Amino acid sequence: EPEVTQTPSHQVTQMGQEVILRCVPISNHLYFYWYRQILGQKVEFLVSFYNNEISEKSEIFDDQFSVERPDGSNFTLKIRSTKLEDSAMYFCASTSTGNPETQYFGPGTRLLVL
Amino acid sequence: QQPVQSPQAVILREGEDAVINCSSSKALYSVHWYRQKHGEAPVFLMILLKGGEQKGHEKISASFNEKKQQSSLYLTASQLSYSGTYFCACEKLTFGTGTRLTIIP
Repeated sequence: EPEVTQTPSHQVTQMGQEVILRCVPISNHLYFYWYRQILGQKVEFLVSFYNNEISEKSEIFDDQFSVERPDGSNFTLKIRSTKLEDSAMYFCASTSTGNPETQYFGPGTRLLVL
Repeated sequence: QQPVQSPQAVILREGEDAVINCSSSKALYSVHWYRQKHGEAPVFLMILLKGGEQKGHEKISASFNEKKQQSSLYLTASQLSYSGTYFCACEKLTFGTGTRLTIIP
């Protein structure tokens, strides 16, 4: 069964450093999402992406964040200058146009900012 | 503003039933339900799009009361595999506060 994949599974970085989290959505999906989940807390929506542009973003998704689809398969989340409070699990998700109601989540990247 | 779920946590014996509620202070036009097991990604369970709509998924079903701005998830004859944290999410992909469900043998 096709699945969303994310790399790396874990990332440790120093405060102020840039990180890029990578996602490979399911191949025929056209809607992409990033979420984050701070340990023990709820899942928070960051951004949705369709047709090579951001369709919606939350208040969390400030100028430090950016998303890109650099090629036909990858979908990336960049955090320009990481802060301690960016430590969280970051999930990518995707949906198809044929079934836009069903989101498929990747396994997540655990980001730790020191 | 995020939907509020109740209860925050519930412990059941295998075979018992549970109801998880999700309430919003704003008008709801759709509700998603997810289950997340510890250390794993959320898994989509179902979406309800119309007021009064009910959906089922094996022994897990849900209802949506648009007027009351709330949705409920029903788990019947719970199995050990149902353990996890359940989240509702409204449109704008705002997740609820979560309900931790523990099933014990």
